[in-house]
Amino acid sequence: GENVEQHPSTLSVQEGDSAVIKCTYSDSASNYFPWYKQELGKRPQLIIDIRSNVGEKKDQRIAVTLNKTAKHFSLHITETQPEDSAVYFCAARTSGTYKYIFGTGTRLKVLA
Amino acid sequence: GAGVSQSPSNKVTEKGKDVELRCDPISGHTALYWYRQSLGQGLEFLIYFQGNSAPDKSGLPSDRFSAERTGGSVSTLTIQRTQQEDSAVYLCASSLVSDQPQHFGDGTRLSIL
Repeated sequence: GENVEQHPSTLSVQEGDSAVIKCTYSDSASNYFPWYKQELGKRPQLIIDIRSNVGEKKDQRIAVTLNKTAKHFSLHITETQPEDSAVYFCAARTSGTYKYIFGTGTRLKVLA
Repeated sequence: GAGVSQSPSNKVTEKGKDVELRCDPISGHTALYWYRQSLGQGLEFLIYFQGNSAPDKSGLPSDRFSAERTGGSVSTLTIQRTQQEDSAVYLCASSLVSDQPQHFGDGTRLSIL
């Protein structure tokens, strides 16, 4: 069945450094890839998303890149700040379906 | 309301009891999703509604789980004869239509004693 693998499971970076989280999906028909940030005890919040007709999307310090051939997409956070500390989830959805397959999450710690 | 609302926020109950969890989606959103998130884990898809219909119920863990949606708005997730392994956070999300971004509620933290 469909699967989304997410790496790493934990990531610690120094404040100001960059962080990269990578997800690999199995269904080549997947065409929508959102990223969510979940702070402890809070709801997942959509931070950025990308559709399959685009290779890269950027929003201030956050960017997402998509490689359809390799079936992977990555979240890039630059100039990290302590408030970026959270669990980040990737997801993939296949065209014509409603079902989102989520990665297992990455716990990001930004050290001050 | 402005966002997806879930109630109760916390529920503690004894093993064997039935529980009902409620989700109020964003007004006008036709698509509604239920997920389960166990401690430190990712999101497990349970069920999806388009309007009042649930095209796929295969994500429900067992026949003790059921869900309905009425009037294309509020949805309830019912768990009968609860077991300790049902303990988790149950998250609801809605989107304008199924191919638009999902917006999540704060979840219901369910604890089975």
